[in-house]
Amino acid sequence: AQSVTQPDIHITVSEGASLELRCNYSYGATPYLFWYVQSPGQGLQLLLKYFSGDTLVQGIKGFEAEFKRSQSSFNLRKPSVHWSDAAEYFCAVGAGGTYKYIFGTGTRLKVLA
Amino acid sequence: DSGVTQTPKHLITATGQRVTLRCSPRSGDLSVYWYQQSLDQGLQFLIQYYNGEERAKGNILERFSAQQFPDLHSELNLSSLELGDSALYFCASSVASGTYNSPLHFGNGTRLTVT
Repeated sequence: AQSVTQPDIHITVSEGASLELRCNYSYGATPYLFWYVQSPGQGLQLLLKYFSGDTLVQGIKGFEAEFKRSQSSFNLRKPSVHWSDAAEYFCAVGAGGTYKYIFGTGTRLKVLA
Repeated sequence: DSGVTQTPKHLITATGQRVTLRCSPRSGDLSVYWYQQSLDQGLQFLIQYYNGEERAKGNILERFSAQQFPDLHSELNLSSLELGDSALYFCASSVASGTYNSPLHFGNGTRLTVT
């Protein structure tokens, strides 16, 4: 069965520090992968997506993610975190031609000034 | 701005009542998805419509129903409300009927509080 695991429920980093949020997926074929961010009281905003091609994808707000097939991972990174990045981050996988988008349980990021 | 509009933003109602949540998808998107987000259950898929037709059902209760109209807006009807139905309800839209290379675009949600 398809699944998405975000092992870190909470992460705290200092402003200006680098960030990596982990995402592991289970899916038999090449997945469609997404990262979303949710600020308090807001909907989920698409940060970036991977469908094929270059395994390092760039997104909005200075985020990037790397698809590693051998590790079934799609980790999100940012070289220097800003206080405004404090939010909840969701990894999701799209199961091919089906309707299914499978979301992880989210990682809540706290940024220390 | 995702282009997905949800109304109302907040809804407070009593147990046993019925409410309707409304969603207008992004221009050009034919698929509408409904999700429920609560603290203990995370983001739960409820139902999907594509171009007016129901395509998939997730963890949707029998007390809940939805439809997508010819102008592509969608409504989620929740009836015989219980305290446990209090949650954020999100609508999302995409251009395709399947996930393919089509990300979801989310509205800002309707926060439902059942008292």
